[in-house]
Amino acid sequence: RKEVEQDPGPFNVPEGATVAFNCTYSNSASQSFFWYRQDCRKEPKLLMSVYSSGNEDGRFTAQLNRASQYISLLIRDSKLSDSATYLCVVETGGSYIPTFGRGTSLIVHP
Amino acid sequence: EAGVTQFPSHSVIEKGQTVTLRCDPISGHDNLYWYRRVMGKEIKFLLHFVKESKQDESGMPNNRFLAERTGGTYSTLKVQPAELEDSGVYFCASSPRTSESTDTQYFGPGTRLTVL
Repeated sequence: RKEVEQDPGPFNVPEGATVAFNCTYSNSASQSFFWYRQDCRKEPKLLMSVYSSGNEDGRFTAQLNRASQYISLLIRDSKLSDSATYLCVVETGGSYIPTFGRGTSLIVHP
Repeated sequence: EAGVTQFPSHSVIEKGQTVTLRCDPISGHDNLYWYRRVMGKEIKFLLHFVKESKQDESGMPNNRFLAERTGGTYSTLKVQPAELEDSGVYFCASSPRTSESTDTQYFGPGTRLTVL
């Protein structure tokens, strides 16, 4: 079983749609969780950290479920510019070395 | 403020040759990381510097890979001799502090290495 698993997609949605991605992790000792965004042939950029209480940043909401070992990202009112690959990243233990998922591809069309 | 820069952006070499990748982190960032993404796979951690010291090199694939960060500023990653399976995108990232808390990592644009 992979340490961090994501549905690769692609998720193909119209503008204005709401879309949700899930990510599961295998190590119950994982402590920090993030969503990164990566545009085609570009570097990953931090989208948001994921906190136990859940957090929201504009149209984006991230949630963590420690019991089931998954994190989620909800995007409301999708924009064309949201088209990208969304990477789930998990850090475990004291080393804070991130483990990346393979990414979920989102395509928002007019 | 300048971001993380990497050189070259692309490199095409033949199997058995040597290639050196360079990363210039954001000024003042003590932490520097190297990652690699092989086609179709996830981004994988290679190693982590804190200033000039290797904090963790558990992700280095084998002894053909050598990373240095002399003076705690820029870093180089040398692959010698290169093999076909070394092809991929090599990312560098930096973060500001050495505390135990997790800092945001800022990624460079990556070096796309192709070994023929």
